[in-house]
Amino acid sequence: NAGVTQTPKFRVLKTGQSMTLLCAQDMNHEYMYWYRQDPGMGLRLIHYSVGEGTTAKGEVPDGYNVSRLKKQNFLLGLESAAPSQTSVYFCASSRLSGNTIYFGEGSWLTVV
Amino acid sequence: SQQGEEDPQALSIQEGENATMNCSYKTSINNLQWYRQNSGRGLVHLILIRSNEREKHSGRLRVTLDTSKKSSSLLITASRAADTASYFCATTGAQKLVFGQGTRLTINP
Repeated sequence: NAGVTQTPKFRVLKTGQSMTLLCAQDMNHEYMYWYRQDPGMGLRLIHYSVGEGTTAKGEVPDGYNVSRLKKQNFLLGLESAAPSQTSVYFCASSRLSGNTIYFGEGSWLTVV
Repeated sequence: SQQGEEDPQALSIQEGENATMNCSYKTSINNLQWYRQNSGRGLVHLILIRSNEREKHSGRLRVTLDTSKKSSSLLITASRAADTASYFCATTGAQKLVFGQGTRLTINP
């Protein structure tokens, strides 16, 4: 059982480049989330989805877009990367709101 | 914001001692969860306590919840080197889980 899988695990981008982080879960969860974690800042919610075809903004959505075309996948896009987006990104999923959240192993993104 | 805030930010104890971490939050909650994060890894769920519960146990973990004070505590008894990690509380509100900044726990052999 793979759980939550994120790709890629590491990526270096130049300022202004675009990229997409892919998250896949095999637990048939309705809810999916993208968080970013910066030193001393804990986890901050970027965007989340409560079901296939839905997305919603979290605490820090600016500069990111998301899509949930399939229930098992949640994509996080950076259209024009900035150094401030250097961070560790975590995808997560849960069956419903308030249930246990299962996290991926993280994606380390550096924007130079 | 209903973000949880952990206290202390860092805690260093000797192996075998008990470790206590606290979490405070600002608004009413449905439940409160504790997670652990080993360095360079994703978060792992430890325990969930519902708003109508006051105490919950899981192995060496004991969690308390005081909704009148909007606070929770996580006690790890008989600590081990493998307990070295960051610990986060997370509160559930409308459709999403909001995390605090975490407590960095170091267990010294």
